[in-house]
Amino acid sequence: EDKVVQSPLSLVVHEGDTVTLNCSYEVTNFRSLLWYKQEKKAPTFLFMLTSSGIEKKSGRLSSILDKKELSSILNITATQTGDSAIYLCAVGKETSGSRLTFGEGTQLTVNP
Amino acid sequence: EPEVTQTPSHQVTQMGQEVILRCVPISNHLYFYWYRQILGQKVEFLVSFYNNEISEKSEIFDDQFSVERPDGSNFTLKIRSTKLEDSAMYFCASGRTATSETQYFGPGTRLLVL
Repeated sequence: EDKVVQSPLSLVVHEGDTVTLNCSYEVTNFRSLLWYKQEKKAPTFLFMLTSSGIEKKSGRLSSILDKKELSSILNITATQTGDSAIYLCAVGKETSGSRLTFGEGTQLTVNP
Repeated sequence: EPEVTQTPSHQVTQMGQEVILRCVPISNHLYFYWYRQILGQKVEFLVSFYNNEISEKSEIFDDQFSVERPDGSNFTLKIRSTKLEDSAMYFCASGRTATSETQYFGPGTRLLVL
């Protein structure tokens, strides 16, 4: 059975802190790992990673995949209160039109 | 920026009733998905749909569920006889190509079965 595990499950930090969120996976026919941010409702796309060791960056957020360790990290530097959300990790497979398997999410709270 | 839309945003129904949840995927996307998220739990895959047929479905997607693309824009999820445990947020997603490239999610329909 495919499995995606995120840690920590929740995290409380102060504005300006840097955070690292973790995602590990056990999936057959792995193709890609995706990070989403879920605020009130829909998950909104952050990154998709398919190659090991190549960092993707968007502003203060960055992510990298380690296929040897079957894991990924999401870094957020200089956190702001607007970063408060659930961060979801999902893994996709090679199969055409295939499902994403989601982790439980990390609830990040950034206090002023 | 194009986005996936869903209607209604909230639906309350009685156990045993049929519900239809509607989605309008992003216009040039070819792959469509339904996921659900029971309150406090993980997002779970229900079904994927391509070229007017189901590509893959999960164990959750039993005979009570069906999907349809009745016209060129809408994608629907029907639950024939709702159960209490069907209460959840239902997300539609769409993707441009076959493989697991980015799936873009709609805002969801909150379904409450009483």
